[in-house]
Amino acid sequence: DQQVKQNSPSLSVQEGRISILNCDYTNSMFDYFLWYKKYPAEGPTFLISISSIKDKNEDGRFTVFLNKSAKHLSLHIVPSQPGDSAVYFCAASVGGYSTLTFGKGTMLLVSP
Amino acid sequence: KAGVTQTPRYLIKTRGQQVTLSCSPISGHRSVSWYQQTPGQGLQFLFEYFSETQRNKGNFPGRFSGRQFSNSRSEMNVSTLELGDSALYLCASMEGLEQFFGPGTRLTVL
Repeated sequence: DQQVKQNSPSLSVQEGRISILNCDYTNSMFDYFLWYKKYPAEGPTFLISISSIKDKNEDGRFTVFLNKSAKHLSLHIVPSQPGDSAVYFCAASVGGYSTLTFGKGTMLLVSP
Repeated sequence: KAGVTQTPRYLIKTRGQQVTLSCSPISGHRSVSWYQQTPGQGLQFLFEYFSETQRNKGNFPGRFSGRQFSNSRSEMNVSTLELGDSALYLCASMEGLEQFFGPGTRLTVL
């Protein structure tokens, strides 16, 4: 049973537009959520996180929204840049604990 | 500060063999976690070590084991390799609520 789901395997966006990556979870015990970016042949790089006590967190071009009632979170990238092209993983944990449950990732392609 | 390092970066083994992978966390980090990444399953948690003790374990068979040394370096071992063990093995060290990943070891089992 997959507790963290990223239903879109891929997403294509034009440079300058908004990229919206979605993630759903089923475990109501999750209270800390993270987004990671991964380039080929590299490990995932932490992007942004959000605690369940918030519904929005911003960091530069990246904003994460959390809808606890829908068990849904999304990552918005504005404006999108070609360098953002990578695989994005959504992850969740319980109590900020070190065990992360990951989604299967969404490949974002930003074209010039 | 140097990042998380993993050795070797690439490894080719045959079925039935065993393999040991190494991870050096960021200096000062005491928690090391291991993950397996495969195309079909994504990133799956293997185990976590903190101060030389296994603190948590994922749902993997006993062929997968690990340990942590007093300097926080960690190793994971896979015995009796199967074709399905071919994957990218990632190690992460933790500071606060953030995990920092190494580049991974690409294991191919033939």
